[in-house]
Amino acid sequence: QKEVEQDPGPLSVPEGAIVSLNCTYSNSAFQYFMWYRQYSRKGPELLMYTYSSGNKEDGRFTAQVDKSSKYISLFIRDSQPSDSATYLCAMSLPMTTDSWGKLQFGAGTQVVVTP
Amino acid sequence: GAGVSQSPSNKVTEKGKDVELRCDPISGHTALYWYRQSLGQGLEFLIYFQGNSAPDKSGLPSDRFSAERTGGSVSTLTIQRTQQEDSAVYLCASSHARPGKVYNEQFFGPGTRLTVL
Repeated sequence: QKEVEQDPGPLSVPEGAIVSLNCTYSNSAFQYFMWYRQYSRKGPELLMYTYSSGNKEDGRFTAQVDKSSKYISLFIRDSQPSDSATYLCAMSLPMTTDSWGKLQFGAGTQVVVTP
Repeated sequence: GAGVSQSPSNKVTEKGKDVELRCDPISGHTALYWYRQSLGQGLEFLIYFQGNSAPDKSGLPSDRFSAERTGGSVSTLTIQRTQQEDSAVYLCASSHARPGKVYNEQFFGPGTRLTVL
């Protein structure tokens, strides 16, 4: 079983709809939680990160972390065709461990927003 | 300023040959990371450097893989005796992050697409 599970999709939504993405994980020691966006043939770019549990909002994007359930979510409101990309969740251990620099990624979910 | 750059952007090689992949991190970034992304898969951690030392090389899949970083800047990932299963996109990232500091973003390069025939 992978440490981080993410449905690969594809997830197809009409323009203006809410996109809902999620990941589950097994290692309760993860402390930092991130969402990256990756366009085709490009490197991933950070969208949002959250420290421990809670919600974080940035424009049309909302990230949620529920450590008790080992479940994280990303919501994209008012989706646009330009949001079509692969979205990867990632997480890392506390900064006090030797492995803090290592990000553990989900498989990524391909999102297609149709006009 | 310039982002993370990687070269070559594409590499086609024959099984059994050695390859070297290069990463130029963002100037001043002390931490450097290598990941591998196979078709339809998420990123798989390979190794990370803090300065010139590698505290965590647990992700290197076999002893055919090695990496070094010199002068706290450029890094080279070497794959010896390449196999077809080594075909993937190899991504490099860098960050300001240091132990004990608040999390800092990892900035990714565009990757090197390696194809082993």
